[in-house]
Order: sequence, then structure tokens, then C-alpha cells
Amino acid sequence: DAKTTQPNSMESNEEEPVHLPCNHSTISGTDYIHWYRQLPSQGPEYVIHGLTSNVNNRMASLAIAEDRKSSTLILHRATLRDAAVYYCILRGFMNNNAGNMLTFGGGTRLMVKP
Amino acid sequence: NAGVTQTPKFRVLKTGQSMTLLCAQDMNHEYMYWYRQDPGMGLRLIHYSVGEGTTAKGEVPDGYNVSRLKKQNFLLGLESAAPSQTSVYFCASSYSDRVKETQYFGPGTRLLVL
Repeated sequence: DAKTTQPNSMESNEEEPVHLPCNHSTISGTDYIHWYRQLPSQGPEYVIHGLTSNVNNRMASLAIAEDRKSSTLILHRATLRDAAVYYCILRGFMNNNAGNMLTFGGGTRLMVKP
Repeated sequence: NAGVTQTPKFRVLKTGQSMTLLCAQDMNHEYMYWYRQDPGMGLRLIHYSVGEGTTAKGEVPDGYNVSRLKKQNFLLGLESAAPSQTSVYFCASSYSDRVKETQYFGPGTRLLVL
């Protein structure tokens, strides 16, 4: 399976934009890029996903590099509630693994300062 | 909609005891998953189910059994608990295993095995 690389941790000030990077240099053409986040003492929750084009939803934006070897999750105005571990996950047609399970790496721990 | 619920929230067991964790979802999802999360790590898949009456092994199935007698419920059993099974257990569900599909997670069960 294609792997992802994320920084262990990042800091942000409240109400400022946050750019969370993810490298996935071995991504295949059919792999979707998913982002989940896990708030303290909670289960993971879906944030956003994309294939080639940039994507926006009410939670965040996803910017995907033209060669798809990297992507960036953008939180436009970080709040204290956005402090969480953010996971970048690849899911592809070729994975054929265990019901297409989510493969979680270490993620990026985002700390938001008031 | 309650989404995905898990029972119990927290449990302490002695080595060798048995217990069952219950996961329930009210979204009529076909797929259900059990993950475990050890401190500072991402989630790993234990078992999953692609529909009522079906179960399959994930990455780390040893020491666990599962059953899916009803579509909305997915049970995880520990027949003889070991300290290595101390972890946080998350249940998830999804409508399908398509690569664009979102998985919805429960709040988790914290298990301590002494």
C-alpha cells in the first residue's frame, strides 16, 4: 500500500489559517486522499477527501499537488476545537485489503493557541 | 440519529476474564469494523463485517472473536483477556467499501487488563 508522511506536530494561533501537509510520493492513479481527524478522547471523524482536483467543504479545503505526490489540508480559521490529530490516508481500488480498511499512520497533532 | 454507539465506555478486566464489546449503528450500513488504538499510535483493524452474518479478519485478529447476528450490531469478544489487549477500541461503520466512502466511528471503549 502507498504510504503517507506527515509532520508529528504543528502549532497554530487561534483564528489563523493552518496548512497541514502530507506527502504520498508512491500514490497510484486510483488512490483517493482522505483526511480524518481525532479530537481528544473521541473516535476519528471524516474531514474531506479528493482525487485530483482541490476540494472544499464546510470543515476544510484540500489542495492536491498537480503530480499528486503531496496534498495539504487547509483549515481557514483555526479554533480551539480544531486541536486534534489529523490523519492523511490513501484509499485505492488496488488496495483490496480487509473491506478497504482505513490505514492510519501517526498523523499530525495540531495544537491551537488562544 | 445516534450514529455509532459503543457499550461500555470503560472497563477493567483481570487477566483471563472474558467480555463482549457491543457496537450499534442506526444508519443501515452494511460494513462494520473493529479497530484498536494503542497509546500514541494510529488505529489498527481487528475484524470487520461486510454484512449481516459475515465476519472477516483484519490486521490484528488474534485473541478476538466477532459476531454480526443483526445488521445494526457488531460484537467484539475477548475470551481470555491479556494485558496486551489494554487499548481503546473503536467501532466504525460505512455504507460500502468504495474508496470514496466515509467511515463513521463510535466514541470508543477504554479497556484496561490487569
